Amino acid sequence: EIVLTQSPGTLSLSPGERATLSCRASQSVTSAHLAWYQQIPGQAPRLLIYNASSRATGIADRFSGSGSGTDFTLTISRLEPEDFAGYYCQHYGSSPTFGQGTRLEIK
Amino acid sequence: QVTLMESGPVLVKPTETLTLTCTVSGFSLSNVRMGVSWIRQPPGKALEWLGNIYSNDGEFYNPSLKSRLIISEDTSKSQVVLTMTNMDPVDTATYYCTRIDRWFGDFDYWGPGTLVTVSS
Repeated sequence: EIVLTQSPGTLSLSPGERATLSCRASQSVTSAHLAWYQQIPGQAPRLLIYNASSRATGIADRFSGSGSGTDFTLTISRLEPEDFAGYYCQHYGSSPTFGQGTRLEIK
Repeated sequence: QVTLMESGPVLVKPTETLTLTCTVSGFSLSNVRMGVSWIRQPPGKALEWLGNIYSNDGEFYNPSLKSRLIISEDTSKSQVVLTMTNMDPVDTATYYCTRIDRWFGDFDYWGPGTLVTVSS
């Protein structure tokens, strides 16, 4: 089973700053099967990025995904107040797995 | 418009069997590209995939929970049912049903989730 490790666990930034979230896989994975989700407390997760770098429908262009092999990144170019939330990466294999999450908080 | 909605008990006793229903709309359970998954999240913890069902390809389960899970579907009612046996307090979680796109393996639509508490 592939293990996804996200870093940092908590990221403290201010609105307008750039956020860089990391997701590292325990072995090389297919980029097509790497996704990112946002979760606002009390709500269901929302798909942000699929295929490692494709934005889901309705997602703002300040969100971007990149990476390949074992290292993937979610970047939020300029933080808006509504972006402070939890973020999860996910891999689709024989047994889909999620990272443990990164909490993005207001500094 | 794609929607999913979970329904079922909010409280179950230890050793009991949990049955949750996911009612979908806006897409067909017979769609060969799409399936339905169950995912759970204990309070304050990360997401955990439980299993998928694809109408033309059967069911797939998390190996660590496989012996306790059954996922079935009733296409005439647009419903997918999760059955989990021998519930334990550690199974207390919000349970989500989602649509899964098998081409990219992402969960593109989610239900709002239902919190299930396991307690005597």
